[in-house]
Amino acid sequence: RKEVEQDPGPFNVPEGATVAFNCTYSNSASQSFFWYRQDCRKEPKLLMSVYSSGNEDGRFTAQLNRASQYISLLIRDSKLSDSATYLCVVRGPGYALNFGKGTSLLVTP
Amino acid sequence: NAGVTQTPKFQVLKTGQSMTLQCAQDMNHEYMSWYRQDPGMGLRLIHYSVGAGITDQGEVPNGYNVSRSTTEDFPLRLLSAAPSQTSVYFCASRPPGGLETQYFGPGTRLLVL
Repeated sequence: RKEVEQDPGPFNVPEGATVAFNCTYSNSASQSFFWYRQDCRKEPKLLMSVYSSGNEDGRFTAQLNRASQYISLLIRDSKLSDSATYLCVVRGPGYALNFGKGTSLLVTP
Repeated sequence: NAGVTQTPKFQVLKTGQSMTLQCAQDMNHEYMSWYRQDPGMGLRLIHYSVGAGITDQGEVPNGYNVSRSTTEDFPLRLLSAAPSQTSVYFCASRPPGGLETQYFGPGTRLLVL
């Protein structure tokens, strides 16, 4: 079983829509959680860290449910510029960061 | 700061050739890593280093060597290139704290014929 699993999509949504991505992780000892964004043929970049209490950054809201080993990302009022692949990333008790395969989002006019 | 830099950006190799992918960071980060990214596979960890002189294997280390003689540099060597090593390679660095973000280089696109 893959450490981090995501629905690959693609999610096609119109501008202004709200879209949610989910991610599950298998290691209950995981300690840190992140969402990264990757544009086509570019390097991944941190979108936001995910805290146990949930956190918000503008139009983006991340939630963590440790009991269900589940992470979510909500994007409100989608913009064309939000089109990208969103990577769920989990750090276990060791060094390694485990990456999901990513969820593809396309926001259309 | 230049952040994480990688050279070359593109490379074509013939099967059996060897080469070194260069990675450097100027943020004084202790942790550095190499990943490969293939369609449908996501990012997979090849090797990593938690400080100068210390390296360890990741998920897919076969066919690759690394060394870490300085904090700044973490080169990845392909010993005898194979078509299965055609991929995009990303180098990354971060401080040791658990909540610290990881910074990626722009990637090297490698084609092995």
